[in-house]
Amino acid sequence: SQTIHQWPATLVQPVGSPLSLECTVEGTSNPNLYWYRQAAGRGLQLLFYSVGIGQISSEVPQNLSASRPQDRQFILSSKKLLLSDSGFYLCAWTSGGFTDTQYFGPGTRLTVL
Amino acid sequence: AQSVAQPEDQVNVAEGNPLTVKCTYSVSGNPYLFWYVQYPNRGLQFLLKYITGDNLVKGSYGFEAEFNKSQTSFHLKKPSALVSDSSLYLCAVSPPGYSSASKIIFGSGTRLSIRP
Repeated sequence: SQTIHQWPATLVQPVGSPLSLECTVEGTSNPNLYWYRQAAGRGLQLLFYSVGIGQISSEVPQNLSASRPQDRQFILSSKKLLLSDSGFYLCAWTSGGFTDTQYFGPGTRLTVL
Repeated sequence: AQSVAQPEDQVNVAEGNPLTVKCTYSVSGNPYLFWYVQYPNRGLQFLLKYITGDNLVKGSYGFEAEFNKSQTSFHLKKPSALVSDSSLYLCAVSPPGYSSASKIIFGSGTRLSIRP
């Protein structure tokens, strides 16, 4: 069966520090991968998605970036965190496009102080 | 612009009573519609989806949703609520096709509270 992992589960970082969040998927090949941010326990904002290795589409211009160095690995990064980057970050995968069911990881709670 | 709305921030229901969580959308064409549930500090779990066919879709944990094209709605329902159903529910809409404009859109979420 397919599983999706995210780490770390929680992270507290000072303003201006770098960020690296990792997401990996097991049990499937060529997944579409997604990064979302959820603020204040509400709706999700799509940040990035990837349909293959090295292919990244950015939805919201900001100081975050994403990379996909391997088929089942998706990384969210920042060179310098802002206070506004605090939130709950969720990774998800689908076997196809946006019309497919999304399967979410457990999330990373990021607090920027 | 394409959008999805969950007009109620909070829904309160007594255990054993029927529940409805509302979702309306504004999307061109025939969209794909989803409901997800999120437990505290957890990722989202898929409940059900509508692609085509029967307007009443049955999903996990006894939930069902009714697609109404004329009202552009996809309300989530359950005949008899359980305390364990208390959680955050998110509706999502995905326009048809695979163009760059065909992104999934999530609603702002409705917090469902079931009192014993």
